[in-house]
Amino acid sequence: DSGVTQTPKHLITATGQRVTLRCSPRSGDLSVYWYQQSLDQGLQFLIQYYNGEERAKGNILERFSAQQFPDLHSELNLSSLELGDSALYFCASSVDGSGYTFGSGTRLTVV
Amino acid sequence: QKEVEQDPGPLSVPEGAIVSLNCTYSNSAFQYFMWYRQYSRKGPELLMYTYSSGNKEDGRFTAQVDKSSKYISLFIRDSQPSDSATYLCAMRGTSGTYKYIFGTGTRLKVLA
Repeated sequence: DSGVTQTPKHLITATGQRVTLRCSPRSGDLSVYWYQQSLDQGLQFLIQYYNGEERAKGNILERFSAQQFPDLHSELNLSSLELGDSALYFCASSVDGSGYTFGSGTRLTVV
Repeated sequence: QKEVEQDPGPLSVPEGAIVSLNCTYSNSAFQYFMWYRQYSRKGPELLMYTYSSGNKEDGRFTAQVDKSSKYISLFIRDSQPSDSATYLCAMRGTSGTYKYIFGTGTRLKVLA
C-alpha cells in the first residue's frame, strides 16, 4: 500500500456520461497530481493542486476538471466522455517534489 | 519531438544479466531525474531519484545522469524474473510546480 488511495479501481461507463475519480494523498503530502496513461501515450500530466490551489496544468481537456478539498483529497471530473478517454488515471502525491508516490489507479472504460 | 524519449522495448535478457535502460531528453533545464518501475496494471513505484549529474547506487540499481549529453541511464545488476516490468524515466526542471515529464517506458523481460 503506497498510502495514496484511489477510488474506484474500475469504472465502465457509456459515451456522453460524466464520472468522478477520487484520490486521497499520502498523509502529510500537500501536492496532488493527476496523470492519464494510455497504451500509446504513456503517462500524460493533467493537473496539479497544492494545498487546495491549482498549481500547474498540462494538456487537460476542457471536458475535464479537478479540485482539491480542504482535507486535501482531490477529485477529477470527466464529462461528455468519449471512447478515447478510456485509460488508466493515476493520482500521485508529494511533499516537496523529490518524488511522487502513485496510487494504484482507476481504470476507465468508455463504451 | 517529445521532451523525453525512451525506447519502448521489449528488452529481453537472461536471468543474472546486467540491464541498461536509457532515456534522452531535450530540455537542458531538467535537473531532477527519477526512475519508476511499473508492473502490469499497477501504479508506478519510485526506484531512484537523482539531482543533477552523477551516479547514485541503491542495491542492485544504479542511476546515472549525463547532463552534457542529456542522457540518463538505469542499470540493474543480477537481474531477476521479478524485475520484469515497465521502467519509466521522469524528469523536471527547477520551477515550483514539481511537474515531472515521463518517458513512455521500456518493457523489460527477464527470462528464467
